Amino acid sequence: NAGVMQNPRHLVRRRGQEARLRCSPMKGHSHVYWYRQLPEEGLKFMVYLQKENIIDESGMPKERFSAEFPKEGPSILRIQQVVRGDSAAYFCASSPRERSYGYTFGSGTRLTVV
Amino acid sequence: GENVEQHPSTLSVQEGDSAVIKCTYSDSASNYFPWYKQELGKRPQLIIDIRSNVGEKKDQRIAVTLNKTAKHFSLHITETQPEDSAVYFCAATSNFGNEKLTFGTGTRLTIIP
Repeated sequence: NAGVMQNPRHLVRRRGQEARLRCSPMKGHSHVYWYRQLPEEGLKFMVYLQKENIIDESGMPKERFSAEFPKEGPSILRIQQVVRGDSAAYFCASSPRERSYGYTFGSGTRLTVV
Repeated sequence: GENVEQHPSTLSVQEGDSAVIKCTYSDSASNYFPWYKQELGKRPQLIIDIRSNVGEKKDQRIAVTLNKTAKHFSLHITETQPEDSAVYFCAATSNFGNEKLTFGTGTRLTIIP
C-alpha cells in the first residue's frame, strides 16, 4: 500500500521559470492538501482539493500559484515565474473522505530557486 | 482564523527524562489536535492525536492532554531516547481534520545521551 507519492523530491528552477509539483494520494483517498514549509518554520496551509474541485484555497498566494486535482492523474501544484522566496519544501497530504482524522503526508518536494 | 502558539522553540533533556511541549489555540471551535514529528529532511509523521471530547490520550511513552476551557494542549514524552530527537509540531483544526490544519511553529527536541 504505497503512501502519498510526491515527485520530484528535489527541484531546482531559475528565477522566472515554472515549477510543477505532483502529488499522488494514497489509494482510495479523494482529498488532497498542499502545505508549504519555509526553512526552520512550521507548515502553512495552501490549498485543499477534491477531484475536479477546489474546496479551500485561502492559503494560496493570489498570483503565480495554482493547483488542480483532475479526475485522472495526480494533483498538481503549479508555480509560475518562480522567485527566490518560493524556495521551500512543499508537502502534500491526503485523506480518504470528507470526515476523517489524521493526514498522511508525502515526502515532499524541495524547491530551490536560483 | 485559528492561531496556534507552541512553546518552547527548543528543548534539551537528558536521556531518560521527560519532555513536555505546550500549545495554545485561539478558535474555540477547534476539535481535533494532532502532533507531528519531523526528522531532518523528512516528512512530518503523525505520532498522536486527540479529539475535543477526550481530555487525555496515551500511546506507550507518548501522551497528549487537552484543556478545552483554557484552550491548550500538551505533548508528554517519558523515558526519552536519542531517537526522540526531532522537531515536533502541534496543530489544530475545527472540522474533524478534513479542513486545513493550523500548525504551531515547532519545537526542536534534543535528547542528550
